[in-house]
Amino acid sequence: GAVVSQHPSRVICKSGTSVKIECRSLDFQATTMFWYRQFPKQSLMLMATSNEGSKATYEQGVEKDKFLINHASLTLSTLTVTSAHPEDSSFYICSAPDRGTDTQYFGPGTRLTVL
Amino acid sequence: AQTVTQSQPEMSVQEAETVTLSCTYDTSESDYYLFWYKQPPSRQMILVIRQEAYKQQNATENRFSVNFQKAAKSFSLKISDSQLGDAAMYFCANSNSGYALNFGKGTSLLVTP
Repeated sequence: GAVVSQHPSRVICKSGTSVKIECRSLDFQATTMFWYRQFPKQSLMLMATSNEGSKATYEQGVEKDKFLINHASLTLSTLTVTSAHPEDSSFYICSAPDRGTDTQYFGPGTRLTVL
Repeated sequence: AQTVTQSQPEMSVQEAETVTLSCTYDTSESDYYLFWYKQPPSRQMILVIRQEAYKQQNATENRFSVNFQKAAKSFSLKISDSQLGDAAMYFCANSNSGYALNFGKGTSLLVTP
């Protein structure tokens, strides 16, 4: 199957700082990527849809000024958590659909801890 | 809006036995996809099986098979000959082509020796 990488896998930062998470599709192009957040023992919740060459689409309740998304190329999307606070601590996962199979492949996730 | 319901928060199965995980969904779309994903303790989401709604034949992947009942909007996962490595969180999900996945709350599967 297709491979999606995500970096970093873990990050610990101080409150008020910004953190950037990268999501790459390694062997296929993705004009769309998705960012999810998962709290402990809960399901994945869609945060936003990243669109190559255009603005991201955010789900209701997700602050677009806090969670900046940039889809710079057909293989790279970044999520920047700006002015992070402890309540932003979570597991962030990206996915990219392989158009050939209409199947989404997931990155390994990033565990963000804000102190 | 699409909803996915997994009514079993936890399930347990003995090694080598068979277990079925339930999933129902609601959608107004006529063309959609259904998936089962496995999330082990590493938290990497792994695709287990996918089903295209327009296909009547139930999907099968080795020990994993689904019972897709389109009229009832039901999509259960059967795991045969369960192995210790099958222990994980299982998520049922649906989507339209190219769109984000809509997940159920998950079923935690415990496999006992």
